[in-house]
Amino acid sequence: EAGVTQFPSHSVIEKGQTVTLRCDPISGHDNLYWYRRVMGKEIKFLLHFVKESKQDESGMPNNRFLAERTGGTYSTLKVQPAELEDSGVYFCASSQEPADTQYFGPGTRLTVL
Amino acid sequence: GENVEQHPSTLSVQEGDSAVIKCTYSDSASNYFPWYKQELGKRPQLIIDIRSNVGEKKDQRIAVTLNKTAKHFSLHITETQPEDSAVYFCAASIGRAAGANSKLTFGKGITLSVRP
Repeated sequence: EAGVTQFPSHSVIEKGQTVTLRCDPISGHDNLYWYRRVMGKEIKFLLHFVKESKQDESGMPNNRFLAERTGGTYSTLKVQPAELEDSGVYFCASSQEPADTQYFGPGTRLTVL
Repeated sequence: GENVEQHPSTLSVQEGDSAVIKCTYSDSASNYFPWYKQELGKRPQLIIDIRSNVGEKKDQRIAVTLNKTAKHFSLHITETQPEDSAVYFCAASIGRAAGANSKLTFGKGITLSVRP
């Protein structure tokens, strides 16, 4: 079975620009999570979708971050405008049921200059 | 909210020796504890997990123990090999409780180096 995929693998942008990250979960997985790891720190939860609905967005840093999952398939995470502190690796994970194993994607490394 | 602490931050062992990585958690409602291994440039991969209704789980050279009273859980790797070198993350979740969110709270990760 194909794993979780993320695009792009790397993105380098300047402060103030906009970036959109994409995640394709494992087919049939209703639960989709976004996490972020800032260099040297722990992987931190951003938000959780169940199908197209946001179950929990308590980890979203501020209103510069917008996540969508139209149709309940792939998800996008947009950062607008990007700030220096947004740099890090953004991971997406999916699971079939909420308490099941979460399978991670390879991550998108975002660098904001 | 939940807080997960992971110690030590780095660990170096000789090939063939055992490695033990410890994590503590703060929320007594947590009931699911996965361990992820991340090799350089790759995605985090689940290597073993444990739920709060058991105290220990083994899978070949890897085992995880859980002490709910003390709120800590540990990863044990026996007969370490160079390919075990990676970053290991512990995590906690209260995903099985009714109405609970299944988000994972991670420790900071530990870099394990296995010297040949």
